[in-house]
Amino acid sequence: SQTIHQWPATLVQPVGSPLSLECTVEGTSNPNLYWYRQAAGRGLQLLFYSVGIGQISSEVPQNLSASRPQDRQFILSSKKLLLSDSGFYLCAWTAGYGDYEQYFGPGTRLTVT
Amino acid sequence: AQKVTQAQTEISVVEKEDVTLDCVYETRDTTYYLFWYKQPPSGELVFLIRRNSFDEQNEISGRYSWNFQKSTSSFNFTITASQVVDSAVYFCALSESTDKLIFGTGTRLQVFP
Repeated sequence: SQTIHQWPATLVQPVGSPLSLECTVEGTSNPNLYWYRQAAGRGLQLLFYSVGIGQISSEVPQNLSASRPQDRQFILSSKKLLLSDSGFYLCAWTAGYGDYEQYFGPGTRLTVT
Repeated sequence: AQKVTQAQTEISVVEKEDVTLDCVYETRDTTYYLFWYKQPPSGELVFLIRRNSFDEQNEISGRYSWNFQKSTSSFNFTITASQVVDSAVYFCALSESTDKLIFGTGTRLQVFP
């Protein structure tokens, strides 16, 4: 069966510090991968998605970036965090387009102080 | 443009009451997919159901049921005999045969004993 992992689970970082969040998927190959952010009490905002190694699509301009160095690994990064980057970050995967549900990881709660 | 509206921000019920969560969607495509997800306090999104635009049959799974009506562009979710464990935020989502899901803003359901 497929599983998706995210770490760390929680993170407290000062403004201006770098960020690296990691997501890995097991039990499947060539998944589509997604990064979402959820601000407190809000809905989900799609940040990045990837359909293959090295292929990244950005949904919103921001100081975040994403990379996919391996088939089942998706990394979210920032060189300098802003207060507005605080939130709950969720990674998801799906087997294909359209008629495929996305499965979500446990999330990382980031607080920028 | 595609859009998902969940007009109910928060609903409170007492255990054993039935509750319906509304979802209205907008799309220009004739082929599309609808989803419901549950987000318990732990934060991880749990997939509940997927429906494609060609299948208007209602679905029942235990205490959960879904009513898909293309005529009103709605995909409502009913919980029968609600329980405290049903307390969560519920998201409706839409996919237009692309690699992205469009989420509604969610409905927070609180079930009191």
